[in-house]
Amino acid sequence: QVQLQESGPGLVKPSETLSLTCTVSAYSINSGYYWGWIRQPPGKGLEWIGSVYHSGYTYYNPSLKSRVTISVDTSKNHFSLKLSSVTAADTAVYFCARLAGVAPYHYYMDVWGKGTTVTVSS
Amino acid sequence: QSVLTQPPSVSGAPGQRVTISCTGSSSNIGAGYDVHWYRQLPGTAPKLLLYGNYNRPSGVPDRFSGSKSATSASLAITGLQAEDEADYYCQSYDSSLSDSVFGGGTKLTVL
Repeated sequence: QVQLQESGPGLVKPSETLSLTCTVSAYSINSGYYWGWIRQPPGKGLEWIGSVYHSGYTYYNPSLKSRVTISVDTSKNHFSLKLSSVTAADTAVYFCARLAGVAPYHYYMDVWGKGTTVTVSS
Repeated sequence: QSVLTQPPSVSGAPGQRVTISCTGSSSNIGAGYDVHWYRQLPGTAPKLLLYGNYNRPSGVPDRFSGSKSATSASLAITGLQAEDEADYYCQSYDSSLSDSVFGGGTKLTVL
């Protein structure tokens, strides 16, 4: 069964770039689907960040678009998130997910990673 | 403040039926975009509960059902069980924001 696993630093300094990778197992990213990132600040709800297709086509949350880059590496079967100029407000649990349904209007997250906590602090 | 409004909390006794509403507008639910539901147990990742307004993924019991009308959607849980105590989120697309959006979440307490 498809599994997703987030990895990356758990602590990032303010103004630096947060970088996370989501490794997909038991499914080839090249086979289809969009792949996305969602975050959850401590004690708060879910926030959509963006998604990427195996071709590299992306959709981004407009409120984060100026700081976000999501990319895919099909040779390593993983996709990545970069969020620049981070502040304490970017402290959150970051989840990666597989997106089923018709992008972007009807897609939903059918498989999730366990999430990784990223703290922004000096 | 999410464009999809959910009640912060609902509660019910074991065996009862509860509903969780997700109220949107003409730029999201009212525009015909699908609504999807997730359940998040404490300290874990969300799990897909319903997709396309009322469809259950394999393994989700038929105690969970969804409906949609006008600018709102609802998740109904019948035969409430202790393990249903969790946070529930709705999700859809908003054409004004050009983005996927989540509701603020509802905490279900089983009394």
